[in-house]
Amino acid sequence: DTGVSQDPRHKITKRGQNVTFRCDPISEHNRLYWYRQTLGQGPEFLTYFQNEAQLEKSRLLSDRFSAERPKGSFSTLEIQRTEQGDSAMYLCASSSYAGTGDYTDTQYFGPGTRLTVL
Amino acid sequence: AQTVTQSQPEMSVQEAETVTLSCTYDTSESDYYLFWYKQPPSRQMILVIRQEAYKQQNATENRFSVNFQKAAKSFSLKISDSQLGDAAMYFCALQGGSEKLVFGKGTKLTVNP
Repeated sequence: DTGVSQDPRHKITKRGQNVTFRCDPISEHNRLYWYRQTLGQGPEFLTYFQNEAQLEKSRLLSDRFSAERPKGSFSTLEIQRTEQGDSAMYLCASSSYAGTGDYTDTQYFGPGTRLTVL
Repeated sequence: AQTVTQSQPEMSVQEAETVTLSCTYDTSESDYYLFWYKQPPSRQMILVIRQEAYKQQNATENRFSVNFQKAAKSFSLKISDSQLGDAAMYFCALQGGSEKLVFGKGTKLTVNP
């Protein structure tokens, strides 16, 4: 059973450019999460999907950010018109929700994509 | 708003000794979960241990155990017989009322040989 994978692992871009990251969750995990981690801080929640539906978005997710999970499998996170403040590690996690209404699912994290905006 | 506070930015321990990492949290939810995650340098975050708030018994996973004090909203992690491979950033996290995890700022643990 492979874990959560993310691509690319590192991305360097110039301010104003668009970037897109991909996350492949653990197979058959129906929930997928995006977090952002800046240096010296813990991860901060951005958004999550259950299957293909985006169910919650943080206020951190400005209009320049968009996330999709079109077929309920992999997900992409796009940042338009990047700013230096977007430099961070972008983490993806997945979990398997049984639908019982109980928060029993554990989130498993990928290695992250480190974004540097010059 | 839910918050998680880790008051120890750095900790160190001698190999084979025991160390305790502190975490306090705040939530208005009655049902919630608490987690400790480990993030080794340049490696992905992995779950160390989890605790359901409705359970009285403290969770244990091999050398890792927690001291969960619900009334005090405290959730500390004890690592026994510390090993060099335990060196990492440790994050305390809370999940309640929502699917998102709320993390503390982390504690950097150094294990000295």
